[in-house]
Amino acid sequence: EVQLVQSGAEVKKPGDSLKISCKTSGYSFSNHWIAWVRHMPGRGLEWMGIIYPGDSDSRYSPSLQGQVTISADKSISTAYLQWGSLQASDTAMYYCARQRSYRLGSLHAYHYDLWGQGTLVTVSS
Amino acid sequence: QSVLTQPPSVSAAPGQKVTISCSGSSSNIGDNYISWYQHVPGIAPKLLIYDTNKRPSGIPDRFSGSKSGTSATLDITGLQSGDESDYYCGTWDHRLSAWVFGGGTKLTVL
Repeated sequence: EVQLVQSGAEVKKPGDSLKISCKTSGYSFSNHWIAWVRHMPGRGLEWMGIIYPGDSDSRYSPSLQGQVTISADKSISTAYLQWGSLQASDTAMYYCARQRSYRLGSLHAYHYDLWGQGTLVTVSS
Repeated sequence: QSVLTQPPSVSAAPGQKVTISCSGSSSNIGDNYISWYQHVPGIAPKLLIYDTNKRPSGIPDRFSGSKSGTSATLDITGLQSGDESDYYCGTWDHRLSAWVFGGGTKLTVL
């Protein structure tokens, strides 16, 4: 079965570090980009960035560059999202998602077809 | 402020049709395929439409997508109470070199 299974909920204090995971199975992990998307309370979905596990090429949302790090371990088909110093404003639900990417006509096509169940991160003093 | 603009909310009675719009620019919708996602907060988002107008296996044909210029549309016909959710459009933005979501539209079935 193709699935993305995320690590459990976290409760942290401001200034703490954190690394959450997204373990994949049922497909070739190295050959598909994985994205992280956050959903803050009362807000919309926000794309944070992506990584290509095959060569660890990563891209970040311009608004989040430098605030988080996305990584991947091909040996265990797992992607990660980490913070060096959490802030209360990082409180959100975080989702990983598999990106499908291919050529369609003269354009490249992208979409997110599989999603993890979400990891709730609460940052509070 | 989202790069893609959606109405904050739409509503209609059961059995009726609703249309959710998504407005962008030449660097995103105008030059790319669109996808649509259904999201109930706390639950994983679900892909509804990809490549602007295709439905994944298991998505009923009550859901359809289209695009004209720099705007896209999600139509939902035969509304059911179970369709109450937040809906998001999304696409790649060449200028930002990033994926962008619309701000989301909350659908209420009256």
